[in-house]
This record gives sequence, C-alpha cells and structure tokens, in this order.
Amino acid sequence: DAGITQSPRHKVTETGTPVTLRCHQTENHRYMYWYRQDPGHGLRLIHYSYGVKDTDKGEVSDGYSVSRSKTEDFLLTLESATSSQTSVYFCAISYSNSGQGTRYEQYFGPGTRLTVT
Amino acid sequence: DQQVKQNSPSLSVQEGRISILNCDYTNSMFDYFLWYKKYPAEGPTFLISISSIKDKNEDGRFTVFLNKSAKHLSLHIVPSQPGDSAVYFCAASDPPGTYKYIFGTGTRLKVLA
Repeated sequence: DAGITQSPRHKVTETGTPVTLRCHQTENHRYMYWYRQDPGHGLRLIHYSYGVKDTDKGEVSDGYSVSRSKTEDFLLTLESATSSQTSVYFCAISYSNSGQGTRYEQYFGPGTRLTVT
Repeated sequence: DQQVKQNSPSLSVQEGRISILNCDYTNSMFDYFLWYKKYPAEGPTFLISISSIKDKNEDGRFTVFLNKSAKHLSLHIVPSQPGDSAVYFCAASDPPGTYKYIFGTGTRLKVLA
C-alpha cells in the first residue's frame, strides 16, 4: 500500500466554478504527479512536483494549476472548470520498490471522478 | 503522435491459457518500462518493470520481454486467471532516465472462465 489518498472521490460541479482536488501521501516521498484518464487517451500527465514548492507542467497542463506547500499534500486546481475537464483524475507518487536498482516506479491513488456540467 | 502505443484495445483469452499484451514505442532512447493493471473504479497498480539493459524480467505469473531492435515490449501472463481481467497499461520513462512516464492507451483483457 503506497499510502495515497485522494479527496473528494467524486465531484459534480458546474462550468465556470473553481475546483480543487487533494492528494495526500503518508510516506514523505519527494515526487508527486497528477494525471487524467480519458477513453482512448490512457493516462496523461497534467503537472508534477519534485519537492515542496517545486512543480512543473506536464503534457496537458492548460486550465490546471498545482500547489505543494507540504511534502505530503499536492493540490490540483481547475481555476474555471469546463466540460472538457470531465475526467478521472489520478495522483501518483514515485519511489523505487521493484528491485531494479535506483529506478523509480509510480504508485497511484484511487482516483477522483470529476463531472463538469 | 503517440510515443507509446498499445494497438490492441481489447483481448479475450481462455482461463489457463497465456495472455500476451503488446506495446510499441517510437523513441529508441527510452530506457525503463513499466506495466500496470487497472480495475474499474480503482487506481492503476504497478505490476512489473524492465530496464533496457535486460530483455526479460519475471515475477510469478508475469513476464515482460523487451525487444529493443523492434522497439517492442510484451507482457505475458501464464496461466491467465479470471481475476486478471482488467485494463493493462505500458509506460516508458520519458525523458529517458527520469521519474516521468508516458503511458500507452491501454488494452482491456478479458479472461473467460
């Protein structure tokens, strides 16, 4: 168990409203990620963090911002939600647990299903 | 253009037989690959990895093969069980050597009892 929780697990919101999703980890890992999963697209990286207050954009970052003020929490904000942001959002942390030396795998939270109406 | 491709959206296999899931990639510099299994309404679960310095890695019923010249990897599940029915994603470290990954679109495996 990677010790990752996501909240809320389900959310329905209206177009134009701000939404914040929270990812919380209990194991003090440095690297955290936000992905979205959509049919036909697999998992696409939105933003990632390599430490407190250190974040960078991923493949599909437009319309999203992130913050990491504590090691254990990584927040994803949709400043003004649009219907195209209806998706399942996954948080992940990264560490080495496979016996493959220093390479890091990613371990995922349970996901947040967001519907923008 | 997708750098990691899973060209088969779905696959059905009889229980007890071998399941082979395929993944192709375009960047010959990719050096570390992962496979994940995902059940509905759950997050992806890490299954197995392989480094580009190897051509095979095994973990129980799961074996991953890497063919660098063909830029192809495959996940073999032997024997397949109904509980293996899930969506399987492959991923490659991108940029190579980093902690970021690019994922394929997934293959839905159905194991028939």
